[in-house]
Formats: sequence, C-alpha cells, structure tokens
Amino acid sequence: DQQVKQNSPSLSVQEGRISILNCDYTNSMFDYFLWYKKYPAEGPTFLISISSIKDKNEDGRFTVFLNKSAKHLSLHIVPSQPGDSAVYFCAASQNSGGSNYKLTFGKGTLLTVNP
Amino acid sequence: EPEVTQTPSHQVTQMGQEVILRCVPISNHLYFYWYRQILGQKVEFLVSFYNNEISEKSEIFDDQFSVERPDGSNFTLKIRSTKLEDSAMYFCASSDLGQGTDTQYFGPGTRLTVL
Repeated sequence: DQQVKQNSPSLSVQEGRISILNCDYTNSMFDYFLWYKKYPAEGPTFLISISSIKDKNEDGRFTVFLNKSAKHLSLHIVPSQPGDSAVYFCAASQNSGGSNYKLTFGKGTLLTVNP
Repeated sequence: EPEVTQTPSHQVTQMGQEVILRCVPISNHLYFYWYRQILGQKVEFLVSFYNNEISEKSEIFDDQFSVERPDGSNFTLKIRSTKLEDSAMYFCASSDLGQGTDTQYFGPGTRLTVL
C-alpha cells in the first residue's frame, strides 16, 4: 500500500543550489500535506505544510508546491546548505470525519548537500 | 520552544516481556499519536488518541498493544508480550488540530530492541 510515494531514494546537490524533492500520492481524499526532515537517531521534524486549497506555500528557504490534478507535490530548498543534509519525508492526511488525522508517509529521500 | 519528549531513548527486552514506552506531548495539545519505523522501512501509523479514547488504530495495533493517558501529562504505549518483529523506532506525536488542519509534532523516538 503505497499511497504516498517518494520515488527518489537519494538526491545530491551542491551548496547554494536548489534542491527539489518530489512526492506523488494516489489517494484523492488527502487534503493536507506535510514535509518532515529527519536526522539519524532523531524524530521527524516538521518543516512546512500545505492545504489542498492552495498550490504554494513558502517559508524562508522552503517552498512547497502542490499540483492536485497530477497528485504531485514538491519541496524546493533555495539555497541549499550542508545542514540541510537529512532524510526528507512527505506525509499526507485525510479528513476522515473523526477528530484525528493519521499521517501516511512516503519512504523518504536522503538529501546530501555538498560544500 | 515546546517539544514532545520520549523515554527511554533505547529499550532492550526479551521476547514475551511487557514494555511501556512513555511520551510527554506538548502541553496544550489534545491529540496524540504513536507511529513506528522498522529499520529500512517507512514511518507507519499505529494509533491516535483523543479525549481519553482511541480514535483510530491500524492493523498493526492488535490486542498486544494498548495506550493510556494515566495523568495530565504522560501518554504511554504498552506492548504486552513483545515479539521479535516489534523491534523498531517508536515515535510519539501530538497536535492541537487548529483551523481544521493537523500539524503533528514528533518526539525523538524510543528504539525498541526485542531479543
């Protein structure tokens, strides 16, 4: 069951350049999308999110784009810094009508930013 | 900055033993979650909890698992009789579900090793 897919297991970019991480989903009921960053031996750290009513959300160096018709979202990091090197998880949730929104995660993309 | 905390950071146990993993969610949050990540696999939802009861649980969360909010600050996950396949990182998360969207904040995790 791969409702959220991150097809690139790894990505390597030079410091100062743009990093683009991609995510695809299959469940059209998903209405909220999040990106988390994870360092080894730590928990996922929330980065940025986007609601399905928007197509772009920006926070500093991080921008998330959502293309609902393509069921695709991407995270742009500009400029990339060595400290950005981590595993990035895409996650999605669905308003099931209840009071909790379980997150469905992708497998993650390991980003390496080279100095 | 408020954060989710988890104890212990690493728990080693023998197969068949009971373990209790502890979490202190962010203080004004009302929604609590447990996820796990088996080595090399994606982060998986286990259970969500609100108003002192389970809101949703996954197929993984069978009769061997239970959750409890024993007081106003702690949130626990109990595994009654551990199996080898329970070895994983267990993450607690919490959220306040403001504005109809749910940004979940994760703790650092407990690494459970079942021998």
